[in-house]
Order: sequence, then C-alpha cells, then structure tokens
Amino acid sequence: GAGVSQTPSNKVTEKGKYVELRCDPISGHTALYWYRQSLGQGPEFLIYFQGTGAADDSGLPNDRFFAVRPEGSVSTLKIQRTERGDSAMYLCASSLLAGGGLDTQYFGPGTRLTVL
Amino acid sequence: GESVGLHLPTLSVQEGDNSIINCAYSNSASDYFIWYKQESGKGPQFIIDIRSNMDKRQGQRVTVLLNKTVKHLSLQIAATQPGDSAVYFCAETNGSNYKLTFGKGTLLTVNP
Repeated sequence: GAGVSQTPSNKVTEKGKYVELRCDPISGHTALYWYRQSLGQGPEFLIYFQGTGAADDSGLPNDRFFAVRPEGSVSTLKIQRTERGDSAMYLCASSLLAGGGLDTQYFGPGTRLTVL
Repeated sequence: GESVGLHLPTLSVQEGDNSIINCAYSNSASDYFIWYKQESGKGPQFIIDIRSNMDKRQGQRVTVLLNKTVKHLSLQIAATQPGDSAVYFCAETNGSNYKLTFGKGTLLTVNP
C-alpha cells in the first residue's frame, strides 16, 4: 500500500517568509509525528499527534513553529518568519496505534527546506 | 541524560562481506529499539526492531543483537550488497514514550 507522503519534496524560501509543509500519513494510522533532521545528524522529535490533537509539542523549537491535523489524517507543519537556521530536512512519520512507544513509526521521504 | 550513540561513524566493506554496525544507549528505561536505513535525500526506512525482552532477532539478511547488561545494540548485515550503502541509525524509545531518540548514524559504504 501507499506509504507516508510529504509535499513539497523541496522548498526554497527567503528569510522572513511563511512556509507550510504537508504530510499524508499511511491510511488508518492514528498517530502522526514530525521530526527535523539537520545535515549529518539523526532526526529530532518536534511534535506528536494522537488523532486530531497535538498530544506533545514539546519538541517545537519556538512559537514560530505550529502544526495542525484538523481531520485526524493530513497534517501541516507551519513555520512563520523563517530563519536561516530553520533550514533542514523535515520528516513526517505515522504509526498504527495512538500512544505507546512499542509501535513502529514509518517515515515519509521528507521535505528539504532551505531558507536563503 | 538520555542518549543513543554509535561507536563508528563510517564503515567501509567489500561486497559479499558481512557488516556489523554498533550502537550504545544510556537510558536503562529504553525497552524498544529500531534500526533505520537512510539513503541520501530520502527518509529513514525501517529495517528491524527488537524489544527488551529479547536479545536477538533475525530478518532477511539482517540480525539485531541487544545486550542490556552493557546497553549495546548491533546490526549485522549478511552478504552486504552495494544497495546496502546508506546511513544507518539506531533509535530507542520505551513503552510510555512515543518519541524516538536517534543516534548520529553510521555511514556504510559497500565497495564492489
């Protein structure tokens, strides 16, 4: 079946602009996660959705970052007033069950964000 | 603090050889471990996982070993192929935590 998809695959923007990154999870997966990966590093947790609600947004670096999942499926990560330090690969993952760590997370291909 | 790290940042092997990628973790509460493969420009791809009540698990050409005594995890790839060339990450979590904590990764290069 179809895996996690993310759009766009690449996004180049200018400092100060607003961007939206989209994630389509695997059909039927209740849990959705956003991670950020800098070059040469492992992914770092940003936010976790259980259904429509953000169960944990403790990984968001500041209030310029916000994510929604209004219908419990597609999620959008929104970044306001982008800064050059926001440049990274943004990864989305989904898992079948809501909550609990013993549940495999499947990742999408990521969105490469470059802030000039 | 909690951390997951890798002993070797790079590993170069000949095609057909076996590869071993190591990972150390420090959180004794971790009870679920996953190995991911990431090719350049792509998202992490699930390879194999293991729960803390096991010390070995085998998949197709891959084996994961877990030594809880010394908090060590390894991924063994049999008969390594050029298509195995990628960065390999170990990740850990526990039954009450949905956040995956990743190490920095090991770059595996397979020479033909």
